[in-house]
Amino acid sequence: QVQLVESGGGVVQPGRSLRLSCAASGFTFSSYAMHWVRQAPGKGLEWVAFISYDGNNKYYADSVKGRFTISRDTSRNTLYLQMNSLRPEDSAVYYCARGRGMTTVGYWGQGTLVTVSS
Amino acid sequence: QSALTQPPSASGSPGQSVTISCTGTSSDVGGYNYVSWYQQHPGKAPKLMIYEVSKRPSGVPDRFSGSKSGNTASLTVSGLQAEDEADYYCSSYAGSNNLVFGTGTKVTVL
Repeated sequence: QVQLVESGGGVVQPGRSLRLSCAASGFTFSSYAMHWVRQAPGKGLEWVAFISYDGNNKYYADSVKGRFTISRDTSRNTLYLQMNSLRPEDSAVYYCARGRGMTTVGYWGQGTLVTVSS
Repeated sequence: QSALTQPPSASGSPGQSVTISCTGTSSDVGGYNYVSWYQQHPGKAPKLMIYEVSKRPSGVPDRFSGSKSGNTASLTVSGLQAEDEADYYCSSYAGSNNLVFGTGTKVTVL
């Protein structure tokens, strides 16, 4: 069955960096686009980033553009989110999710919590 | 990109129907047939319930249906069951490689 397992979350000071990972299994990772979506505590969902199945196309929300980088390693079946210059407003549960292209977020992982605080 | 507008709450008795609206603009909901709906139980990950306005992924009961008129999309849950009590979010492709989510609706089964 499809499994997406995020890791790498934790508490980090403002201005520092963190890299999230998402291990995929149960499907052909190289055939699917992937998304990162976040949810601040008690708040709604916010789309963060997208990467095409082949890694050639990457898109970002304006709120993270220039600070976050999405990437994938097909040999490891793993999706990444490099987060630099973190701000308190980046605090959230970060979900990785398999995409139905850019237009739809399909199957979601369980999420990893990132807290940006001094 | 502004969040799509959903009512904060909706409710219905078991067996009844409840409809949730998702209002955007001609640049997102009204401009594309790429509206999706997600169900999220407390402390759990969201689950895709409807995509491309009215399509159901495999395994989603046909009690869940979606539609769109102009800049407003809707999700209807018929034959409400206790397990349908959850938060529901819509999303829409918004052009220029952007995806926008709704503000979320808490559905209560009375």
